[in-house]
Amino acid sequence: GAGVSQSPRYKVAKRGQDVALRCDPISGHVSLFWYQQALGQGPEFLTYFQNEAQLDKSGLPSDRFFAERPEGSVSTLKIQRTQQEDSAVYLCASSLGGGGNQPQHFGDGTRLSIL
Amino acid sequence: GQQVMQIPQYQHVQEGEDFTTYCNSSTTLSNIQWYKQRPGGHPVFLIQLVKSGEVKKQKRLTFQFGEAKKNSSLHITATQTTDVGTYFCAGPLDSNYQLIWGAGTKLIIKP
Repeated sequence: GAGVSQSPRYKVAKRGQDVALRCDPISGHVSLFWYQQALGQGPEFLTYFQNEAQLDKSGLPSDRFFAERPEGSVSTLKIQRTQQEDSAVYLCASSLGGGGNQPQHFGDGTRLSIL
Repeated sequence: GQQVMQIPQYQHVQEGEDFTTYCNSSTTLSNIQWYKQRPGGHPVFLIQLVKSGEVKKQKRLTFQFGEAKKNSSLHITATQTTDVGTYFCAGPLDSNYQLIWGAGTKLIIKP
């Protein structure tokens, strides 16, 4: 596709429910990043994939957060037993090469609200 | 741990005035990237600086990378309403997997 696509754009869930957020990166991009962005803050790193390998998940806030990219393209971020503090915008970004030394292309994000 | 500090948090300017945001890293960076995020939008890549002392220009925007590769600045000359948004700097963590982001500087044009 032309850019990074994320779905859904908005997600409202009740506390305790599980949610799944999808990211479709730019075709051919090796690297895929997930970020969490709170209002008025910069993006906070969650996890990084190089192709299908999850090389860094140090930013995931708890074991309720899980991400996968099984075929090295589309990625899913899953949050189990959601809590109110999980409310944020979740951004996905991809880059052509490996690592953090190349420009990142962001999707529009998923705005998650936990009631 | 490694940190990237960005100031100021906000800058209010009259249209036509200049705008500057500063970025400082606690460690030497291999490169620094600048992004712009419009209200309600997502970060959009502007530029990457790699060399010590590098200066790059994009029309009214001037980007600098310090000699020690620990600080950077973005200067906008004669701001326009289209410049409104939050400007972020970001540098790679030592692992080179992560980008460490500054908190951003929000450019606000006074009515």
